[in-house]
This record gives sequence, structure tokens and C-alpha cells, in this order.
Amino acid sequence: ELKVEQNPLFLSMQEGKNYTIYCNYSTTSDRLYWYRQDPGKSLESLFVLLSNGAVKQEGRLMASLDTKARLSTLHITAAVHDLSATYFCAVDGGATNKLIFGTGTLLAVQP
Amino acid sequence: DAGVIQSPRHEVTEMGQEVTLRCKPISGHDYLFWYRQTMMRGLELLIYFNNNVPIDDSGMPEDRFSAKMPNASFSTLKIQPSEPRDSAVYFCASSRNSRRADTQYFGPGTRLTVL
Repeated sequence: ELKVEQNPLFLSMQEGKNYTIYCNYSTTSDRLYWYRQDPGKSLESLFVLLSNGAVKQEGRLMASLDTKARLSTLHITAAVHDLSATYFCAVDGGATNKLIFGTGTLLAVQP
Repeated sequence: DAGVIQSPRHEVTEMGQEVTLRCKPISGHDYLFWYRQTMMRGLELLIYFNNNVPIDDSGMPEDRFSAKMPNASFSTLKIQPSEPRDSAVYFCASSRNSRRADTQYFGPGTRLTVL
């Protein structure tokens, strides 16, 4: 059974600092998604990583995928308050067409 | 495109009542997913459909929950009878048909409170 783990579960950062969220998964997959959820809102797709070594960047967020290590990272550069949200990674569940979601990382950026 | 549409956005009901949640997927999307989100259990997949056919309902918590998709543009999730522990946010999501899992687009959710 595919398991997806994120760490940390909660991250409190100061504005201007850098940090990384980690997403580990238990079985082979070469397709990984990152989502953002603002408090009280729905999930919004951020990045789709479709192969080993894939890197996507938008603004202060950069996501990468290492399929050999079964690891994806979401790097935050010079955090700003607007990035405060919960970030989920999700892994392709294979032939089922399901996405297996991680537990989420609650990011709080303090002024 | 209007995105995934869910109704109602908020529902407050009393224990024992029937609750029906509705979802309209994005036009052209062949997969529809129902999720439940709570603080304690996180995001759980309840059931998903492909071309209106239920594919996997192993996440449905018990027989009180049922879901249907009578056509490509409409799905319902019904809880009968409802219980306080069913209080959660219920999301519907849809994705395109592909041989691999594709980006799922989520609706705004229905916040259900069972008193």
C-alpha cells in the first residue's frame, strides 16, 4: 500500500527566511503533485512533477522530485505572510488513477 | 470554465436527518472523486467514479453513506441517517481521463455540521 509522509507537519517561519518541506512516499512513482489550501478554502493545484529530476518554480516556491529517493521537496525562499497555508503533496496511485495525499504541512509565516 | 461546483456550501442538520451533497464536475472530466476532510483524520478519499461508474468505494465509512453519478455532469453523496461524527468538509474533485492519475481540481467544499 502506497504511503505518503510529509514533514514537518507544522512549520512556523519568520518572513524573509528559507525553508523546505519534505514529502516521502513508499513505492515507486514518477508523478507527484503539490497542492495549497488556504484556511477555510479548497485545495488548489500548485505543481505537477512528471519525471525524475523535475523541477518547477513559481514565485518563492520551488518543487523538485527525486524518484530514486522517493522524495519530493517544496522549497520556500524568503517567505512572506501570503504563503501561510497548508501544503499537501500527492502521489500517483498507479493503475487506480487515484492520488494518495500526504498529511499536509501547515505553514505559518510570522511578520 | 466554472470549475467544480458543489452545493450547498454549508449544511447544518440534526442527528438522524438525511443529508444530500451535490457536485457538478468540470465539463469533459471523466473522473469524479469525493473526499472528506477533518482535523483528526485529514483528507480521506471516500469514493471515485470513472465515466459515471463507481470504481472504488472502499473509503466509504459505512452503509449510511452512498454516492451516485447518474450522468457526466452530476453526482450526489448522501448520508442517511447522519451522525455528529459525520461533521466535516466534503470536497468533490474531478480530473481528465488518462492512463495515469491526472491533476484533480477541487470544488469549494460543503461544510457539514450535524448537531
